[in-house]
Amino acid sequence: NAGVTQTPKFRILKIGQSMTLQCTQDMNHNYMYWYRQDPGMGLKLIYYSVGAGITDKGEVPNGYNVSRSTTEDFPLRLELAAPSQTSVYFCASLPGEFYSGNTIYFGEGSWLTVV
Amino acid sequence: DAKTTQPNSMESNEEEPVHLPCNHSTISGTDYIHWYRQLPSQGPEYVIHGLTSNVNNRMASLAIAEDRKSSTLILHRATLRDAAVYYCILMNYGGSQGNLIFGKGTKLSVKP
Repeated sequence: NAGVTQTPKFRILKIGQSMTLQCTQDMNHNYMYWYRQDPGMGLKLIYYSVGAGITDKGEVPNGYNVSRSTTEDFPLRLELAAPSQTSVYFCASLPGEFYSGNTIYFGEGSWLTVV
Repeated sequence: DAKTTQPNSMESNEEEPVHLPCNHSTISGTDYIHWYRQLPSQGPEYVIHGLTSNVNNRMASLAIAEDRKSSTLILHRATLRDAAVYYCILMNYGGSQGNLIFGKGTKLSVKP
């Protein structure tokens, strides 16, 4: 298993550009998440999904969109990038069985700078 | 959603025990208590979790209060590699449909 894979690892965007952060997991997990982490701060939930075709907003969804067409993939779309979106983005997943002892698997992060 | 409260930072000397506290006064009966840590420039990684009883693994121990309104992560002998931000979170699939909330965590510094 590769676990949770995020691409790209680093990216510089110009203001107003758009891009998609890719996230793939090969563990057949139902639940997937996107977090952002600003320098020196904790993780903030952007969007999450409890299964293919189902997504919901987290704490800071503005300026982002997601889709979940397959169990494996959960891409995060940034439309009209702004400097406030400069951050480190983490994708995560966990099994969807009703057992809260399951652990969360995180990707390695994507460093995004908007200039 | 239930939330957790942790101190912003703590310091420890190398090879001494460290007790990292977490308050979760609004915890529900089906919430599991999880601890993750984040090393610099890395994603968070699992440390330990529990429901009601104290738990031990190769990384740490988790002590859960009898009323479950607080817990303590115990690193028995801190090493320099344990310097990280430690997050205490509550997990409950049934209530919030997987909406996990990370607090600011506790930044642990370890002095040689």
